[in-house]
Amino acid sequence: EIVLTQSPGTLSLSPGERATLSCRASQSVSSSYLAWYQQKPGQAPRLLIYGASSRATGIPDRFSGSGSGTDFTLTISRLEPEDFAVYYCQQYGSSPQLYTFGQGTKLEIK
Amino acid sequence: QVQLQESGPGLVKPSQTLSLTCTVSGGSISSGSYYWSWIRQPAGKGLEWIGRIYTSGSTNYNPSLKSRVTISVDTSKNQFSLKLSSVTAADTAVYYCARVGGSYLPHFDYWGQGTLVTVSS
Repeated sequence: EIVLTQSPGTLSLSPGERATLSCRASQSVSSSYLAWYQQKPGQAPRLLIYGASSRATGIPDRFSGSGSGTDFTLTISRLEPEDFAVYYCQQYGSSPQLYTFGQGTKLEIK
Repeated sequence: QVQLQESGPGLVKPSQTLSLTCTVSGGSISSGSYYWSWIRQPAGKGLEWIGRIYTSGSTNYNPSLKSRVTISVDTSKNQFSLKLSSVTAADTAVYYCARVGGSYLPHFDYWGQGTLVTVSS
């Protein structure tokens, strides 16, 4: 089973700053199989990035994803107030544990 | 625009079976190469994939829950369902249903709003 470890656990930044969130896999993951989600309190997660670097429909271009192998990054170029939330990475692997999520990074207002 | 909506009891007694249904609207559950999944999230914690079903009825389950989980589909009603048996307090969580693509699109693109299920006597 592939384990995804996200860092930092909490990131404190101000609006307008750049956010860099990390997702590290315990084994190599195909870039096609790495996604990022945003979750706000009381809401379902929302797909941001799939295939490691492709933005989902309607996602602003300040969100970008990169990486390969075991190291992946979500970057928010210039934080807007609505971006403060929890972010999860997710990978698709081989049976039986098909989908795993990282433990999340909380992005909070400094 | 595909929409998903979970429904079912919000309170289940220990040792009983949790049953939830997800109703899909805005498109046929049988169209496209999509799987239909259940994911849960205990309060203040992360996301755990429970299982998925294809409209053919083919299923895959999280190994840690496999012995207690059954996911089924009713294409005539555009619904799929989750049953989790022998529940304990550890099964208390918000349960989400979601759509996920096959191996070419293995991400969860549409989600229900989630439903809180509490296991308590």
